[in-house]
Amino acid sequence: DTEVTQTPKHLVMGMTNKKSLKCEQHMGHRAMYWYKQKAKKPPELMFVYSYEKLSINESVPSRFSPECPNSSLLNLHLHALQPEDSALYLCASSQGQGGQAFKPQHFGDGTRLSIL
Amino acid sequence: ILNVEQSPQSLHVQEGDSTNFTCSFPSSNFYALHWYRWETAKSPEALFVMTLNGDEKKKGRISATLNTKEGYSYLYIKGSQPEDSATYLCASISSNTGKLIFGQGTTLQVKP
Repeated sequence: DTEVTQTPKHLVMGMTNKKSLKCEQHMGHRAMYWYKQKAKKPPELMFVYSYEKLSINESVPSRFSPECPNSSLLNLHLHALQPEDSALYLCASSQGQGGQAFKPQHFGDGTRLSIL
Repeated sequence: ILNVEQSPQSLHVQEGDSTNFTCSFPSSNFYALHWYRWETAKSPEALFVMTLNGDEKKKGRISATLNTKEGYSYLYIKGSQPEDSATYLCASISSNTGKLIFGQGTTLQVKP
């Protein structure tokens, strides 16, 4: 069982819908990440939160809006997505700011998102 | 090298064979290298985090080496088993970006 829990596992939505992806970890990690992974491509970093503050935004379109309400939770709010946004969205966490590079990331199983 | 590159893209071996694959990464501003194993329908699992030139790490039948001067890492699997079938991802972090850049992975299939 993964220590990072993502919900839902699958999501189908229309281009006008608003939905949210959720990620939760209880390992006391202070860095959390969102990645996007298209088929046969490597995961691509979208956002990094460190101590509940957004530290990296990889020029992600504003139709993706991250939120970190507390140290255990990370949300990704979706609005007016495009068909090309269909992908696997992975959440990960790792120990705090200073050790981000030197500590492994713990991944969730991902949310498979399909945009109609 | 500007990106993280892995080779081969895929590999089919028989049970009991030993195998290895390569990860190439930018050597300038190198900070750390991560290896992950990603089995189908599961989450990526961390294998190793390596930082020092000449580092060697081992976990059971899997081991990895690191050459930061020339920008490559090898992952070795000794006596492959069907349960080793997975995609093996490496990811490099540079000191000027602080973020993981993943390679495309090597997909290993071990036949019984």
